[in-house]
Amino acid sequence: GESVGLHLPTLSVQEGDNSIINCAYSNSASDYFIWYKQESGKGPQFIIDIRSNMDKRQGQRVTVLLNKTVKHLSLQIAATQPGDSAVYFCAENSNPLGGGYQKVTFGTGTKLQVIP
Amino acid sequence: GAVVSQHPSRVICKSGTSVKIECRSLDFQATTMFWYRQFPKQSLMLMATSNEGSKATYEQGVEKDKFLINHASLTLSTLTVTSAHPEDSSFYICSARRSGSGGGQYFGPGTRLTVT
Repeated sequence: GESVGLHLPTLSVQEGDNSIINCAYSNSASDYFIWYKQESGKGPQFIIDIRSNMDKRQGQRVTVLLNKTVKHLSLQIAATQPGDSAVYFCAENSNPLGGGYQKVTFGTGTKLQVIP
Repeated sequence: GAVVSQHPSRVICKSGTSVKIECRSLDFQATTMFWYRQFPKQSLMLMATSNEGSKATYEQGVEKDKFLINHASLTLSTLTVTSAHPEDSSFYICSARRSGSGGGQYFGPGTRLTVT
């Protein structure tokens, strides 16, 4: 039968504007969240992280916001540049089996296209 | 920084053969390594968690006899895809968690497997 491929949501942003990428996570027990950037054909690259006891964390040109009430995470990129074009994934860290077993689960991803 | 390498970066094999993929942490020790699979335009799906000196923990739906994982040392984990079929063609990515750290993972560059 015919297969239907999934398509990543795409965010198109003008160079120099700010970008906001959103993510909904599922596990209320997750204690740590990470944003990754993935360029085509490469592995994910760490951008910024935040622990569940915080609601905001800032890095260089990037800010992560965490709203545990609605289980929502966002990544803000200031002054978006062409080099920011990539797929961005949020990931949540949980401890489903207890002990030292930690599991990182990735969200579906958002493709960021920067228009020069 | 923390560098994770994978070898090979690309491999083409015939249906029915087995393929081994290596994941190495180059400048740190990793008690735990993770193996992910990523299909085009999709997110990373965790296949298994590999712990040095013990059996891997496989995610639901992942056949442990088909995807053999060996975490022989604190810097090396291998994934062997046995009796590969075209549907196993995918991008395989490993990550390593630094021993003693409380969170983030460092990802390898990925291995593109094509089964003909």
